[in-house]
Amino acid sequence: GENVEQHPSTLSVQEGDSAVIKCTYSDSASNYFPWYKQELGKRPQLIIDIRSNVGEKKDQRIAVTLNKTAKHFSLHITETQPEDSAVYFCAASRSPGGYQKVTFGIGTKLQVIP
Amino acid sequence: DGGITQSPKYLFRKEGQNVTLSCEQNLNHDAMYWYRQDPGQGLRLIYYSQIVNDFQKGDIAEGYSVSREKKESFPLTVTSAQKNPTAFYLCASRGQGEETQYFGPGTRLLVL
Repeated sequence: GENVEQHPSTLSVQEGDSAVIKCTYSDSASNYFPWYKQELGKRPQLIIDIRSNVGEKKDQRIAVTLNKTAKHFSLHITETQPEDSAVYFCAASRSPGGYQKVTFGIGTKLQVIP
Repeated sequence: DGGITQSPKYLFRKEGQNVTLSCEQNLNHDAMYWYRQDPGQGLRLIYYSQIVNDFQKGDIAEGYSVSREKKESFPLTVTSAQKNPTAFYLCASRGQGEETQYFGPGTRLLVL
């Protein structure tokens, strides 16, 4: 089955600096890669996603890159702010026969220091 | 994701007791999922359902049971066979043809 590895597990940055979180996946058939942000005690919320036919996607301060050949994808947050502090999860999924199997990484706890 | 609700927010279980976690959605989504979240770990799939009256085991189904009698409801029962039930439980749903799963607010289960 699919295996998603995520690192680092914790990340501290100064406010205004950039943060990068990296994930690798094992199943070459995976074709959808969402990123979720989870604040303490809250639900995970989708912040950005990318499909396998795209190499990069950007939404304001957040960007995701995908390298299908190397089977890795990354989340980039620029100009970090204290409200970016949260746990970020990457995931990889594919949809065989209509069912979507999603595999999540273990999460990265991001702390933005004011 | 505001259309997915879970109750209760906190749940306490005594030894040998079965407890049921509620998940309701008004998004008209066909697929629903239950995940377990432990500290320092990712989300692990317990059960999923693609359609009413059908559900399948996920990666860690032992000690859990579900039902899907209505499209909008997917309750999870944590049975006494689940020896380590303390965790944060998240329900999610997904619309047909869509790729994104949307999560409910979660239920934190604690053992007395």
